[in-house]
Order: sequence, then C-alpha cells, then structure tokens
Amino acid sequence: GIQVEQSPPDLILQEGANSTLRCNFSDSVNNLQWFHQNPWGQLINLFYIPSGTKQNGRLSATTVATERYSLLYISSSQTTDSGVYFCAPGGTGFQKLVFGTGTRLLVSP
Amino acid sequence: GAVVSQHPSWVICKSGTSVKIECRSLDFQATTMFWYRQFPKQSLMLMATSNEGSKATYEQGVEKDKFLINHASLTLSTLTVTSAHPEDSSFYICSALEEFVSGNTIYFGEGSWLTVV
Repeated sequence: GIQVEQSPPDLILQEGANSTLRCNFSDSVNNLQWFHQNPWGQLINLFYIPSGTKQNGRLSATTVATERYSLLYISSSQTTDSGVYFCAPGGTGFQKLVFGTGTRLLVSP
Repeated sequence: GAVVSQHPSWVICKSGTSVKIECRSLDFQATTMFWYRQFPKQSLMLMATSNEGSKATYEQGVEKDKFLINHASLTLSTLTVTSAHPEDSSFYICSALEEFVSGNTIYFGEGSWLTVV
C-alpha cells in the first residue's frame, strides 16, 4: 500500500514564527487532505488539496502530485496551532485515506 | 457545518466484556462511514469502511469478529469491541462521508477513548 512520511516529526516554535511541514507519499493519489488534531483528539479538516495551492488565513498548502509531495505552511504561528498535523492521501471520494506519520507542533508563547 | 458525534467519549470496561461505540451524523445522511484506531502518539489506522445496509469492509489484519461494525441507518454506525482485552485500549475515531454531486466532504467524530482494565 501507499507509504506516507511526514517531516519534521516534531517542531517547536515561538509564537509568531513561520513553518513548513512536508508530506511525501509513495504512489499517485486522487485525493489528499491535511488535518489538525487538537490536544483533545479532535480532527479538523484543513485542506482538500490533491493538486495545486490553496490558502486559508494563515495557513496555505501546496501539492505537487507529479512529484508526490505536499507542503503545509503556517505563518505567524499561534499557541492554538499546537497539536498534530496529519496529511492523508487516498483514493477517489475519500475512500481509503492513509494517514501519514504526523508532525507534532508545539507553539510556545 | 456538518457534525459527526461519537458516544461515549470515554469508557472504561473490564476484560472480557463488550463495549459499543456509536457514531452519528447529526445533520446529514451518510451512506459511508469509516472507523479508525489511534494508539498514543501514533497515526490513525483505518480499521474498516462501514456501508449502510451492507457488511463492513475490514482492512487487512483487523479481526471482524472482534470489532463488530453495524451501519443500520443512514445516520448511525456502531463499533462493538467484543471480549475486550487491555491491548484493545486505544482511541477510536469515526468519520462520515457527506456526498454531493459536486464532490464529497468527510467529517470526523470527536473520538472515543477506550480503556480495558
């Protein structure tokens, strides 16, 4: 099956800093999502981005499907950004989402 | 926006007993729901795809007799962990697929922490 690796595994930032999270996947996919899991376990959809670039406030994401990677940018980080960020590529219609290894982010005041 | 609710959020049960976790789509109908398992500080692992009115499709290595999935209505899927053992202790998360002609969206429940003692 598809292999999904995320880097870095852990990241500590000062509030206000910017960061880039990377997701590499081993096979072509029809679907890719980024999620944020908050400290209580709730998963929040951030982006549906099988290709191209999208922006939502301080967050943006880019997927280069031909090179099998996706990037999540966080600008002007806030303490509420802390948690684990997962990318999850998958098949058509959100079937068989395979979650990556995750990046654990801690933003300190 | 659409909401998916899981119940219970926390459950402690004794070894050998069974425990049921419910996953409800509150304001949309979900033909398809998914069940994931997450160990501490690890990623989510897809256990099975739950299809309304038919049998669930289990991922390789997941015991279907151990983890019973029932999707009896378009808004409810249940996961029953039978004859639970301490190694079944984990965070279980469901998700539900909202389908549109223009494309689908997936929503996750809040998760259920299971501790088997």
